[in-house]
Amino acid sequence: EAGVAQSPRYKIIEKRQSVAFWCNPISGHATLYWYQQILGQGPKLLIQFQNNGVVDDSQLPKDRFSAERLKGVDSTLKIQPAKLEDSAVYLCASSSLPGVNTEAFFGQGTRLTVV
Amino acid sequence: SQELEQSPQSLIVQEGKNLTINCTSSKTLYGLYWYKQKYGEGLIFLMMLQKGGEEKSHEKITAKLDEKKQQSSLHITASQPSHAGIYLCGAEGTGFQKLVFGTGTRLLVSP
Repeated sequence: EAGVAQSPRYKIIEKRQSVAFWCNPISGHATLYWYQQILGQGPKLLIQFQNNGVVDDSQLPKDRFSAERLKGVDSTLKIQPAKLEDSAVYLCASSSLPGVNTEAFFGQGTRLTVV
Repeated sequence: SQELEQSPQSLIVQEGKNLTINCTSSKTLYGLYWYKQKYGEGLIFLMMLQKGGEEKSHEKITAKLDEKKQQSSLHITASQPSHAGIYLCGAEGTGFQKLVFGTGTRLLVSP
């Protein structure tokens, strides 16, 4: 079974530029999560999708971050414009069900450096 | 919102020693995950605990869930360098069954 795929693995951009990350979840998984993990901290949930609908984006900085999951499969996370404090690893995860009833599978992450 | 506090924040142990990592929740725990993360990489699932008093083991790692104390512990027996990494506990946060994580415990195992 293929795992969660993320691209790119690494990205370096200048502040005020825009960037997009892509995630392909495990086939058939209805729940998709995007997390931001700043160095030395635990992952912080940015947005959770159930199929193609957003069920939680309470911690997404909506003035600069956006995410979509067209057709309930792949997802993209965009930052525009980027700030220095956005430097972090962005993790995508998927599960067949939401919450703690089912294991969530994680991608390798995208390491973003904003200079 | 649900907060998960892990202790210790970091730990250095000598190879062969035992260690315990704790995860304490600010709210009732209905289930809990333990994950391991290598630096800069994704999270690897270790185990899932769903009932109070439940205890699970995988190789030399044992995890327990104490619902009354709103706490879980992860115990590693006879640690090895391969156990080094960041250990994260995760639980269901407030809202639509979202998965939130603790602050992480960084483990180094010295030869």
